[in-house]
Amino acid sequence: SQQGEEDPQALSIQEGENATMNCSYKTSINNLQWYRQNSGRGLVHLILIRSNEREKHSGRLRVTLDTSKKSSSLLITASRAADTASYFCATAAGNMLTFGGGTRLMVKP
Amino acid sequence: EAGVAQSPRYKIIEKRQSVAFWCNPISGHATLYWYQQILGQGPKLLIQFQNNGVVDDSQLPKDRFSAERLKGVDSTLKIQPAKLEDSAVYLCASKGLAGGRADTQYFGPGTRLTVL
Repeated sequence: SQQGEEDPQALSIQEGENATMNCSYKTSINNLQWYRQNSGRGLVHLILIRSNEREKHSGRLRVTLDTSKKSSSLLITASRAADTASYFCATAAGNMLTFGGGTRLMVKP
Repeated sequence: EAGVAQSPRYKIIEKRQSVAFWCNPISGHATLYWYQQILGQGPKLLIQFQNNGVVDDSQLPKDRFSAERLKGVDSTLKIQPAKLEDSAVYLCASKGLAGGRADTQYFGPGTRLTVL
């Protein structure tokens, strides 16, 4: 079963706009991670936020975590056409990752 | 630093045939994972190895799927016999103290399996 559920399932924006993706989960976690997957490729790790952290930044990425609501969000600022990909949240408990269904982001030039 | 290697990249077989996938993790990574990703869905864990021992195979369909990591390095995943619903991308990932972050899984490019 999939722990995380992303919302929206698909998102289409213009280059330069911001993209926000949300993830909800059900059980306690050690950390939450976001991955990107380009079509036909493997997953690339973007950012990890621990359960005792509330916000984290990495370049144009901003991740928030609300453990009381069991939710996280990924914000990509000033999007580029190269950001077009599927984005997955994954919750970590012990050594295991459980992935959500992903958000398919399209950034139009 | 070399990443996770997988082969073949693509495989097309008929139902009831057998198929095997190979994974070479990042050097020094003790933990190795196999995931199944059906089109339009997120990856689903099939099996986790710690060195050459199985940590979790609760979601592996053991009547047809098998995996091994005999020397604690490379791993193979086999399907015998394949069904139509096995069509998916099979992803290998590794994690460990050697290189990168110890709490991050690094993924290979995957093997896309089509069962006709």
